[in-house]
Amino acid sequence: TQLLEQSPQFLSIQEGENLTVYCNSSSVFSSLQWYRQEPGEGPVLLVTVVTGGEVKKLKRLTFQFGDARKDSSLHITAAQTGDTGLYLCAGGRDAGGTSYGKLTFGQGTILTVHP
Amino acid sequence: NAGVMQNPRHLVRRRGQEARLRCSPMKGHSHVYWYRQLPEEGLKFMVYLQKENIIDESGMPKERFSAEFPKEGPSILRIQQVVRGDSAAYFCASSPGIYNEQFFGPGTRLTVL
Repeated sequence: TQLLEQSPQFLSIQEGENLTVYCNSSSVFSSLQWYRQEPGEGPVLLVTVVTGGEVKKLKRLTFQFGDARKDSSLHITAAQTGDTGLYLCAGGRDAGGTSYGKLTFGQGTILTVHP
Repeated sequence: NAGVMQNPRHLVRRRGQEARLRCSPMKGHSHVYWYRQLPEEGLKFMVYLQKENIIDESGMPKERFSAEFPKEGPSILRIQQVVRGDSAAYFCASSPGIYNEQFFGPGTRLTVL
């Protein structure tokens, strides 16, 4: 069973601060997605990383895929209250190819940004 | 371009009743995935379907749960004889291909009384 460990589980910060969320696994994933979920809604895809060492930027959000494709991080610069939400990482298809299609999700990080 | 649609958004059932959850994938997407999000837990994969075929049902409970994706119409997740432990948010996702990104619907919140 593949597991994705996300940390921290809860994060409460002030507006303007920086933060990093981590997603770690002992398994290799061929791709890793980051989603954001608002209460009562479905996850919304933020980014997909597929290459070891890849870094993608989306405005104030920076996503990195580890060299070994086992871990990823999400860094938010100068957080805003609108960043508040549940952030989920999800891994796609392990290297053995036996779990194609389905995504394995981390437990999520609940981010609260205070004004 | 409409996103993934799910209905109903909220469903209340009494123990022993049947629940039917519907999912219409995005236009051009022929791959559908169902996930369940239990309170205090993350999203868990249930089943992966293509038109008229179940590809992977490794996450489906062995009893009472079934899924289909007919040639015409939405994908259906069916839960027979619901129990309180089935109360959860059920999400459907779709993709154009097996290794493509998955886009999620708004979910169906099932409450079993």
